[in-house]
Amino acid sequence: SAVISQKPSRDICQRGTSLTIQCQVDSQVTMMFWYRQQPGQSLTLIATANQGSEATYESGFVIDKFPISRPNLTFSTLTVSNMSPEDSSIYLCSAAGLAGLDTQYFGPGTRLTVL
Amino acid sequence: QQQVKQSPQSLIVQKGGISIINCAYENTAFDYFPWYQQFPGKGPALLIAIRPDVSEKKEGRFTISFNKSAKQFSLHIMDSQPGDSATYFCAASKDRGSTLGRLYFGRGTQLTVWP
Repeated sequence: SAVISQKPSRDICQRGTSLTIQCQVDSQVTMMFWYRQQPGQSLTLIATANQGSEATYESGFVIDKFPISRPNLTFSTLTVSNMSPEDSSIYLCSAAGLAGLDTQYFGPGTRLTVL
Repeated sequence: QQQVKQSPQSLIVQKGGISIINCAYENTAFDYFPWYQQFPGKGPALLIAIRPDVSEKKEGRFTISFNKSAKQFSLHIMDSQPGDSATYFCAASKDRGSTLGRLYFGRGTQLTVWP
């Protein structure tokens, strides 16, 4: 299985600022994803982080608000820009394609509170 | 549009009982059906997964039953324990093989096992 770490684990931010969340996988993976999860709710896919090219965003999510980088096969960042209280949520990264397997593994999440 | 429908939303079971969570899907292109278990403050962890070429898969106390014609699959937890109390998500994806597809999640089932 893959071990996925995220930094920070939680943060409290002021309205109008930006936060960058880092996701590190301990092995090379094919795919990396970013999700948002409201407390007690299901997971909503924000985007697929593509290595060496622009991320693929889901409907309702735009690059200006959630810029994503993936410089290599083990690392990705998600930035939440110009934050508002509505951005308060848990942000999760996931990875798939480890050793050719289909299984998607999740990081522990970053709990973001915007005041 | 919810691609994967999950029920019930919450479930209370006595210790030693059987917990059953059901999911249904419409897209016949789906070919991978995982179940994830999530504890509070943690990321989802893969519990068990099945492909449509088999009707049942068992791992310890956890069993997936799959009905391809009805486009339904379910998770059975035998001899449920208080430690099983968590939120369970079913999911589905397509694009088996080298290109890994995104996961479509159900809304989740909060399971409580009473001691």
